[in-house]
Amino acid sequence: DAKTTQPDSMESTEGETVHLPCSHATISGNEYIYWYRQVPLQGPEYVTHGLQQNTTNSMAFLAIASDRKSSTLILPHVSLRDAAVYHCILRVPRNNNNAPRFGAGTKLSVKP
Amino acid sequence: DPKIIQKPKYLVAVTGSEKILICEQYLGHNAMYWYRQSAKKPLEFMFSYSYQKLMDNQTASSRFQPQSSKKNHLDLQITALKPDDSATYFCASSHTNNQDTQYFGPGTRLLVL
Repeated sequence: DAKTTQPDSMESTEGETVHLPCSHATISGNEYIYWYRQVPLQGPEYVTHGLQQNTTNSMAFLAIASDRKSSTLILPHVSLRDAAVYHCILRVPRNNNNAPRFGAGTKLSVKP
Repeated sequence: DPKIIQKPKYLVAVTGSEKILICEQYLGHNAMYWYRQSAKKPLEFMFSYSYQKLMDNQTASSRFQPQSSKKNHLDLQITALKPDDSATYFCASSHTNNQDTQYFGPGTRLLVL
């Protein structure tokens, strides 16, 4: 799977909208973009995923660049509970050796 | 009700001993996984199983052996424990072994003295 690059950390304040960037310049045409988040002492939690079109759910909005070489996870009106490490991962569908590999991710801090 | 159960939550072991970490999922999934996370390090993929068959193994040491007695079980046996094995071990599952969303358990925190 292609590699992703994320900033080590970002800071925000409660109520703000946060934009978490992810660069994947060598992404393949069949690779999906997945986002997970992990709070301390817990396992990762699925946030969202997409292939080419922007996607939205109750947790976040995923904006994917038209060339697919980057994406941005947008968290509207963050709260203290959104403080976590956010992982951007690429996965190939229908590939038996397809378990997500996690990097360091972006540690999001949220101030009151 | 928790959908992925990992037992025990905490585990202390002595060097050289053997332990089994339990994982059961009640999501009706066909694929299960083990990951390990040492202090302040990224999550590290270890094994993936699909329909009780090993699909991928990224763990160099044979001291780590997954055991799948039922489709919704994937236990992890660790032999000859070493202090470096101290970590939190996370079990995960997904509907199938492709791009399906993974769901993670709460983890077992292992400390080897």
